[in-house]
Amino acid sequence: GESVGLHLPTLSVQEGDNSIINCAYSNSASDYFIWYKQESGKGPQFIIDIRSNMDKRQGQRVTVLLNKTVKHLSLQIAATQPGDSAVYFCAEGLTGRRALTFGSGTRLQVQP
Amino acid sequence: DAGITQSPRHKVTETGTPVTLRCHQTENHRYMYWYRQDPGHGLRLIHYSYGVKDTDKGEVSDGYSVSRSKTEDFLLTLESATSSQTSVYFCAISVGTDNSPLHFGNGTRLTVT
Repeated sequence: GESVGLHLPTLSVQEGDNSIINCAYSNSASDYFIWYKQESGKGPQFIIDIRSNMDKRQGQRVTVLLNKTVKHLSLQIAATQPGDSAVYFCAEGLTGRRALTFGSGTRLQVQP
Repeated sequence: DAGITQSPRHKVTETGTPVTLRCHQTENHRYMYWYRQDPGHGLRLIHYSYGVKDTDKGEVSDGYSVSRSKTEDFLLTLESATSSQTSVYFCAISVGTDNSPLHFGNGTRLTVT
């Protein structure tokens, strides 16, 4: 995981603030979208997903917004905590094609 | 890690040598994947499998082969490793129906010198 950090855009936020991580996806036909979190030395961990028939979905402290018109996905994290510091990836999928296509990621740094 | 074990976790090898990475799952899921992760490229699909002896190529399959002789094991082989194959390799499984998240192992860091 350490080499993932090179060349990544970075979002730096204060602890307790809300974070918004953005992603532009590539395939207008994609109908399934996922956000992953990756900590150093570990594999990506599923956070939340959304299907194309929705434009918003909420989880625990996280919300995903989907704008299909401009092919844009965002992840909102409420009350960001130091444990949220990681690299976040969006991924897109298509019904009938099991594999996912991943974005290049954003590093979130939470300042105490 | 959804019952996924990758081995080895780290490997250093020389250019031109064969290398096999192993992915083992404990839950009998049908779909398994190999991705590589490099700076600036995110995760890219190498090969995937949809059952025993059923495999297909991903977007970066050149230089790699795979085998799946048992449901629980998915092997990735670099027949003759090159420096461009230095990367972190992740195995993933699909645990649900179509349109379900992939669950990843913790990766193998491969360095080809």
